[in-house]
Amino acid sequence: DAGVIQSPRHEVTEMGQEVTLRCKPISGHNSLFWYRQTMMRGLELLIYFNNNVPIDDSGMPEDRFSAKMPNASFSTLKIQPSEPRDSAVYFCASAGDRNEQFFGPGTRLTVL
Amino acid sequence: AQSVTQPDIHITVSEGASLELRCNYSYGATPYLFWYVQSPGQGLQLLLKYFSGDTLVQGIKGFEAEFKRSQSSFNLRKPSVHWSDAAEYFCAVGAGDYKLSFGAGTTVTVRA
Repeated sequence: DAGVIQSPRHEVTEMGQEVTLRCKPISGHNSLFWYRQTMMRGLELLIYFNNNVPIDDSGMPEDRFSAKMPNASFSTLKIQPSEPRDSAVYFCASAGDRNEQFFGPGTRLTVL
Repeated sequence: AQSVTQPDIHITVSEGASLELRCNYSYGATPYLFWYVQSPGQGLQLLLKYFSGDTLVQGIKGFEAEFKRSQSSFNLRKPSVHWSDAAEYFCAVGAGDYKLSFGAGTTVTVRA
């Protein structure tokens, strides 16, 4: 298994631009998580899906952030418009059962 | 809601010496417990997990952890560290609702 796949690995954009991060979970996993990691705030859960349905989006910081999971093998996290304070590493993780989450390599986002 | 405390922000250890990282959790029932490792620029990798049964669990890379219910702890140990063990280590607790609560992490520096 290829593990959780995220793209792009690095993204540099200018303030105000739309950013879309992509994630392919491990086949057969029914839960998907988006996290954000910064030096100041550590690892934060943004949103998680179970069976493609958003269950808890209380960690999404603002309406500028949105996430979708149109099918079991793909999810996106969109930021529109992006701001410099959104600069962080964004991780996607998937889980089959018992909370055992497997993380992707992350996307390092820099907003200038 | 469950929570995790990692009391040590940073630990420095000599190569070949033993390592112990502390983790305390708060949860009313028996939790699912995990240790993850994150090398610089990488995603989180699962080291080991505890669901039930034997309270001493073995993981990858020579790590082990012991669940102590009376102390609400799940400390990570390695008898002899290698330079490649320099990384950040995260303890996490799950309660069966697909979410994990992560500790703030402990950074391990290995000196020659």
